[in-house]
Amino acid sequence: AQTVTQSQPEMSVQEAETVTLSCTYDTSESDYYLFWYKQPPSRQMILVIRQEAYKQQNATENRFSVNFQKAAKSFSLKISDSQLGDAAMYFCAIILQGAQKLVFGQGTRLTINP
Amino acid sequence: GAGVSQSPSNKVTEKGKDVELRCDPISGHTALYWYRQSLGQGLEFLIYFQGNSAPDKSGLPSDRFSAERTGGSVSTLTIQRTQQEDSAVYLCASSFGTRGNYGYTFGSGTRLTVV
Repeated sequence: AQTVTQSQPEMSVQEAETVTLSCTYDTSESDYYLFWYKQPPSRQMILVIRQEAYKQQNATENRFSVNFQKAAKSFSLKISDSQLGDAAMYFCAIILQGAQKLVFGQGTRLTINP
Repeated sequence: GAGVSQSPSNKVTEKGKDVELRCDPISGHTALYWYRQSLGQGLEFLIYFQGNSAPDKSGLPSDRFSAERTGGSVSTLTIQRTQQEDSAVYLCASSFGTRGNYGYTFGSGTRLTVV
């Protein structure tokens, strides 16, 4: 079974600064997909970024980028130029190729200080 | 619809009562998922539907929990004889096809409080 660990329950950053959220995972499979989701107070989970395990190139979406280290089973999220609207819970998740079930970490609460 | 719709948004119920939570997925999405998020916790998988069938019910915590999906669209999660430990946010998600490789689209959840 897959597991996802987010070791930082809470993080804070000054507005306009850069912050990195950590995520490690465990799986014996080689084909999988990794995700970061954002959950603002509205509760809706919003997909931030997706990474295919067979791609070495790190995914980027505007101010959001990942550092994917497959051998280390690490998938951190970097948020550049942090904005007040980035404040939320962030969840890391994994799904195996061909599977249907996303497995989530415990989440990191990100606070942006003005 | 344009997004995944869940109702009610909030539900307060007395211990021992039954509750029904509804999820209306994105039109055309064949896969539907229910997750539970307890206070300060991650998301716990409950059940997965493909069309009207549920190939994976492994996450349902007890026989008090059941779910159905009709017409390949709307799903209802029913909790019988609610207990205080059932208090949580229940999130529904949907995806197109049989693979979750592109992630899911989530609704805003139902916050259930059992008093």
